Amino acid sequence: GNSVTQMEGPVTLSEEAFLTINCTYTATGYPSLFWYVQYPGEGLQLLLKATKADDKGSNKGFEATYRKETTSFHLEKGSVQVSDSAVYFCALPTNAGGTSYGKLTFGQGTILTVHP
Amino acid sequence: EPEVTQTPSHQVTQMGQEVILRCVPISNHLYFYWYRQILGQKVEFLVSFYNNEISEKSEIFDDQFSVERPDGSNFTLKIRSTKLEDSAMYFCASGGRVTNTGELFFGEGSRLTVL
Repeated sequence: GNSVTQMEGPVTLSEEAFLTINCTYTATGYPSLFWYVQYPGEGLQLLLKATKADDKGSNKGFEATYRKETTSFHLEKGSVQVSDSAVYFCALPTNAGGTSYGKLTFGQGTILTVHP
Repeated sequence: EPEVTQTPSHQVTQMGQEVILRCVPISNHLYFYWYRQILGQKVEFLVSFYNNEISEKSEIFDDQFSVERPDGSNFTLKIRSTKLEDSAMYFCASGGRVTNTGELFFGEGSRLTVL
């Protein structure tokens, strides 16, 4: 099945710093790619997604570009805020197609802490 | 905004006891899932459920586990005889008709501690 490798954390930044969290994948074909976020005490939430190569997903100032050449989907934000402190997960469907689209493989998660 | 809700938020149980974790998925969704996260490890797929039956399950989902959608709204995960290694955060998720993008909506999780 497909797999994903995510940058290990934790990552600690000052407010307004630039953020990059690396994610690379191995997949059959070109599956959709996702970043999920888990804020303290909450469940996983979809942050952004890209459904095909060269797509850029964006939300809340975060961006990630689906790059098939480098099999990467790195998460970036130009200026982080304290409220961005959370755990970030890169994910993709485990299998290609069929009824398995909701079976996701997650990266190990990156803990981001932003200080004022 | 519709959301997936899970109960209990935290359950402590003795090894060998049965546990039922409950989930109320988003009402018009058709696909339902359980995932778990052992502390410090990855979020892992357990099982998917569609059209009132299991559509896929992982190696983790052995005979001690079962799922049910008894009344058209709740979606439950039962562990018949808990083991220490079942201690984890269990996440319920649901997806709509168009799950070909894999976009899931997750609950806040139920933390299970087995003593």
